[in-house]
Amino acid sequence: EDQVTQSPEALRLQEGESSSLNCSYTVSGLRGLFWYRQDPGKGPEFLFTLYSAGEEKEKERLKATLTKKESFLHITAPKPEDSATYLCAVQDSQGGATNKLIFGTGTLLAVQP
Amino acid sequence: AAGVIQSPRHLIKEKRETATLKCYPIPRHDTVYWYQQGPGQDPQFLISFYEKMQSDKGSIPDRFSAQQFSDYHSELNMSSLELGDSALYFCATTFGGLREQYFGPGTRLTVT
Repeated sequence: EDQVTQSPEALRLQEGESSSLNCSYTVSGLRGLFWYRQDPGKGPEFLFTLYSAGEEKEKERLKATLTKKESFLHITAPKPEDSATYLCAVQDSQGGATNKLIFGTGTLLAVQP
Repeated sequence: AAGVIQSPRHLIKEKRETATLKCYPIPRHDTVYWYQQGPGQDPQFLISFYEKMQSDKGSIPDRFSAQQFSDYHSELNMSSLELGDSALYFCATTFGGLREQYFGPGTRLTVT
């Protein structure tokens, strides 16, 4: 069964203090791994798609990397506006016609000024 | 850029009532996914449509049904509402072979 586990559940950082969020996954075949940002009461906002091990993508202070078993979201010199829940999701290539997303429970990030 | 539109944004219903949630995709997006997110939980897949045909079904109760119309908008119909149906309901849309899904702002359903 496909499974996505994120750690830590919550993370509190000081402004400028870099860190990483982890997403471990188990799928029959990985079609894609996705990172989303979600603010309270709002819809998930797409950040990155990673397709194969070794791939990296960057956007402003965020960098996502992928291995065969996990993905990391590195946050460099975070600012208070980076505070949000970060969700990791996978698509299983063995899932037939569907491309449904299977989500982890997220990491709640709080960046204090 | 145009985003996914969901209506209504908030809905309050009593037990055993019915509700209809609507989703309007980004222009040219032909695929719609519905997700349910309970308090403090991750989004759970309910159902999806591609080119107006149901493409997959997840943990959607039999009391719920959905369809996609000729203009690609989708509606989620919920009957015999229960307290446990209180949640945020998101639709996400995509186009053709695009893998990433773009989410709407959600409908917050409260069942009292």
